[in-house]
Amino acid sequence: EVQLLESGGELAQPGGSLRLSCADSEFTFSSHAMSWVRQAQGKGLEWVSSITKGGDFIYYADSVKGRFTISRDNSKNTLYLQMNSLKVEDTAVYYCAKDLPDLDWFGFWGQGTLVTVSS
Amino acid sequence: EIVLTQSPATLSLSPGERATLSCRASQSVTTQLAWFQQKPGQAPRLLIYLASYRATGIPARFSGSGSGTDFTLTISSLEPEDSAVYYCQQRINWPLTFGGGTKVEIK
Repeated sequence: EVQLLESGGELAQPGGSLRLSCADSEFTFSSHAMSWVRQAQGKGLEWVSSITKGGDFIYYADSVKGRFTISRDNSKNTLYLQMNSLKVEDTAVYYCAKDLPDLDWFGFWGQGTLVTVSS
Repeated sequence: EIVLTQSPATLSLSPGERATLSCRASQSVTTQLAWFQQKPGQAPRLLIYLASYRATGIPARFSGSGSGTDFTLTISSLEPEDSAVYYCQQRINWPLTFGGGTKVEIK
């Protein structure tokens, strides 16, 4: 069973930085594109960023472009999200999502990590 | 950016009834559309991809249809455990976008 475990979420000040991690239990991590999706309390889902399996193509939502950086370490089966210049509106549960094998759909999700941006 | 509009916002039905959820795209997404189910306190779960393909382990009472701009998720006979929020999502263009969700309540 695929297990994705996010970590790194915590309270941060506006303007501050956080680094989220998502560890995949499967050795096939390097064969899948990965993404971050967030959800503010009581709100819907918002796609944040995606990275292809080799890391050669990266995409961002306009709301985070220039502030967030997605990356991956396939030797460690881990996905990252470096979050800089945090804003109050970045407060949300951040999920990592793994594409289905050979299909570009969010087939597997972690349980999420809570990021709170507040002074 | 492709906007996905889901309706109704809330659907309240009894067990055994049929639920029909709608997702309308602001421009054609061909069949590049998925449906997710999210229960309180849980991560979303993929139900349907490519508009009509059920993901592994999804019960047959869930079905998806549509192409272009109009899509439907049908739950043929509601079970109590189907109480959740359902989201559609398109994958034809960046940025990827989700609909606002439909909450299904079981009476």
